[in-house]
Amino acid sequence: DTAVSQTPKYLVTQMGNDKSIKCEQNLGHDTMYWYKQDSKKFLKIMFSYNNKELIINETVPNRFSPKSPDKAHLNLHINSLELGDSAVYFCASSQEATGNSPLHFGNGTRLTVT
Amino acid sequence: SQQGEEDPQALSIQEGENATMNCSYKTSINNLQWYRQNSGRGLVHLILIRSNEREKHSGRLRVTLDTSKKSSSLLITASRAADTASYFCATGVTSYDKVIFGPGTSLSVIP
Repeated sequence: DTAVSQTPKYLVTQMGNDKSIKCEQNLGHDTMYWYKQDSKKFLKIMFSYNNKELIINETVPNRFSPKSPDKAHLNLHINSLELGDSAVYFCASSQEATGNSPLHFGNGTRLTVT
Repeated sequence: SQQGEEDPQALSIQEGENATMNCSYKTSINNLQWYRQNSGRGLVHLILIRSNEREKHSGRLRVTLDTSKKSSSLLITASRAADTASYFCATGVTSYDKVIFGPGTSLSVIP
């Protein structure tokens, strides 16, 4: 019954590898997001999709490529992983794209790049 | 740049006491939201207060918003050990069409 689910929960990989994180929401929301939380717990938006269309891209390196096959899914693919990519990545969804409705978060994917 | 700033960064209280966390922001907002994050988990939405509202309650939570001072406070009354978590304020900013988070307050409630 998880509203926003993301997999995997943990991801440990070496520099230079390519990896993907998957996210699905069953809330019927139109808007989905990827946030990155660093070691100091600061949460920064990376991408936002509304009805499969990219609406926010926060100057994220183009090694990060989101893909939304349908409005219930938003996956994140990362190429050529770097040490600085180590963080917790959160998927979220909301009813509206305007910042006027609450966000529903998944439980995060802890990415460790060695 | 960061929109919201929480104060204090960390707070430690005894069970049963009240906890107050403050949030200041820089630009005009549509709404301000508070979230809780337990260790190793995602953020959970607590309360959304719109820019034309001054106070909102939800159970033991009370949120105030002062748009003239660009600040908000979250009060948790009669705290419990289970309230131990990080609390984040986030602002809904129309011109950006997104929600921007502050760095959070880490609350420890000692049984």
